[in-house]
Amino acid sequence: EAQVTQNPRYLITVTGKKLTVTCSQNMNHEYMSWYRQDPGLGLRQIYYSMNVEVTDKGDVPEGYKVSRKEKRNFPLILESPSPNQTSLYFCASSLAGQMDIQYFGAGTRLSVL
Amino acid sequence: TQLLEQSPQFLSIQEGENLTVYCNSSSVFSSLQWYRQEPGEGPVLLVTVVTGGEVKKLKRLTFQFGDARKDSSLHITAAQPGDTGLYLCAGPAVRENTDKLIFGTGTRLQVFP
Repeated sequence: EAQVTQNPRYLITVTGKKLTVTCSQNMNHEYMSWYRQDPGLGLRQIYYSMNVEVTDKGDVPEGYKVSRKEKRNFPLILESPSPNQTSLYFCASSLAGQMDIQYFGAGTRLSVL
Repeated sequence: TQLLEQSPQFLSIQEGENLTVYCNSSSVFSSLQWYRQEPGEGPVLLVTVVTGGEVKKLKRLTFQFGDARKDSSLHITAAQPGDTGLYLCAGPAVRENTDKLIFGTGTRLQVFP
């Protein structure tokens, strides 16, 4: 089954404790991206990647890191999480770019205390 | 930064009513996508509109892309409880010469039986 898998689905952590949210897709997609969703603000793109070893900032990249060492995986790293990073996070992938159909994971709800 | 503003932000209606959701920008978009997101899930693509003035129909949903490609609307005829969800428009940030994808602020629709 074609899918985008995020883990974990729920995470509660404390300020400053490094964490990684994993994202994997099995559709051989080139384009992958991370979003955060906050009430009243819609989805805001954090980082995106056009291909392996190619990543770029979205609209809200501060406090986040990503890597794209393999085509299928695109982990989101919070080196020192802060309470303002409490949010619902989505990973998405598409065949070739931002104009293609975006396939989303089920989301990761993060709370930073 | 290109922005997409959606209105209304919230909409509560009775089953059988008609409604229209708007997605507006001061910038021209080469295409716009519409997604629906249900609780606990990621957004799922409904349609992509590409040509100015284009109208696409998906059962009881009618999507229109403005002539100037700065706005789009989604009209639902005879809404049903199954239409309940968050509706998001999205477009590529081509004016910024990047591969970013911009999402609108969202319209949360609740249809009561």
